[in-house]
Amino acid sequence: DIQMTQSPSTLSASVGDRVTITCRASQSISSWLAWYQQKPGKAPKLLIYKASSLESGVPSRFSGSGSGTEFTLIISSLQPDDSATYYCQQYNSFWTFGQGTKVEIK
Amino acid sequence: QVQLQESGPGLVKPSQTLSLTCSVSGGSIISGGHYWSWIRQHPGKGLEWIGFIYYSGSTYYNPSLKSRVTISVDTSKNQFSLKLSSATAADTAVYYCARALYAYGYLGLWGQGTLVTVSS
Repeated sequence: DIQMTQSPSTLSASVGDRVTITCRASQSISSWLAWYQQKPGKAPKLLIYKASSLESGVPSRFSGSGSGTEFTLIISSLQPDDSATYYCQQYNSFWTFGQGTKVEIK
Repeated sequence: QVQLQESGPGLVKPSQTLSLTCSVSGGSIISGGHYWSWIRQHPGKGLEWIGFIYYSGSTYYNPSLKSRVTISVDTSKNQFSLKLSSATAADTAVYYCARALYAYGYLGLWGQGTLVTVSS
């Protein structure tokens, strides 16, 4: 099984800050990685697929990078609406999600 | 646009089979091009992939749940279903149905989710 590990588990940042979330895979997954945003009581929303492709309609302040085993989600200028939990997901071999990163606004 | 809606009992007794259905509206499940999936989320926890099905009936299951899971598709009703046998309290979770692009695994469309509690 491929394990996905996100860091940090929680982060607190101010509006306008650049935020970085990291996701590491236990083995190479090429670029088969997606990022999701989930708000309380709601279903996850796809942000990024294939490591760096922005889903249609997602603000350009979200970006993804990486390949192999290390990946990054960047929010270039944090907005109040970005308060949520973010998950990575590998789809190279079956599907596995990271444990989530909760982003709070200071 | 295509929408997904989960339905089924919100309360299941231990040892019974948890059964849920996902209704697809605004598009055909047999149009091809997608995996129809089930994901669950334990209260306050992260996401767990359960399995998915292609309209042809091909299925892929999470190895940790494979012995208890059956996913099926009813093309006449434009629905797909989840059955999880021998339910325990550990199966209490919000269950989501979702759609992924065929040959890829990213989930671009989700249902709203439904809470299933396993309790006597």
